[in-house]
Amino acid sequence: QVQLVESGGDLVKPGGSLRLSCAASEFTFSDDYMSWIRQAPGKGLEWVAYISGGGSFKHYGDSVKGRFTISRDNAKNSLYLQMNSLRAEDTAVYFCARGGTFYFESWGQGTLVTVSS
Amino acid sequence: SYELTQPPSVSVSPGQTASITCSGHKLGYKYACWYQQKPGQSPTLVIYQDTKRPSGIPERFSGSNSGTTATLTISGTQAMDEADYYCQGWDSDTVVFGGGTKLTVL
Repeated sequence: QVQLVESGGDLVKPGGSLRLSCAASEFTFSDDYMSWIRQAPGKGLEWVAYISGGGSFKHYGDSVKGRFTISRDNAKNSLYLQMNSLRAEDTAVYFCARGGTFYFESWGQGTLVTVSS
Repeated sequence: SYELTQPPSVSVSPGQTASITCSGHKLGYKYACWYQQKPGQSPTLVIYQDTKRPSGIPERFSGSNSGTTATLTISGTQAMDEADYYCQGWDSDTVVFGGGTKLTVL
């Protein structure tokens, strides 16, 4: 059974940085696109970024472009999201998901990022 | 930017058929998929590539997509189907989610 386990969520001040991680197991990680998707408290889903299996192709949502960086380490079966210049509106649960554009077939349980002074 | 529009809420009686729509420009020319999210849980894929069901998803869940509208249909709706439902598509390498529909079974 596919497992995706996020970590790294925390309380951070506006303007600060944070790095999220997602540990993947029970599938061939390097074969698949991977994505980050977030959900602000009480709100809907918002796609953040995706990365190709080899890591060469990345694409970001407009609200995070230039501030967030998605990366992966296929040797460690891990996905990352480096978040810089954080804003209050980045407060959300961040989900790691297996998939790129068409659909997301597996999701992690999420990790909470709170941006507040 | 591309947008997908869903009704905020839909109500259905137990055993009846629920239909949730998702509208977007030329959506029928793209693939649509649907997620179910219950309170405190992560989303679960229930329909992908317009009409396909992942393994483990009950047959009462079905999907269609034509013109500008994708539709998720739940036949014989059960109390356990009460949840938020999100459609998702893509455009120009960008992933787009609908705003979500709260399905109430009463």
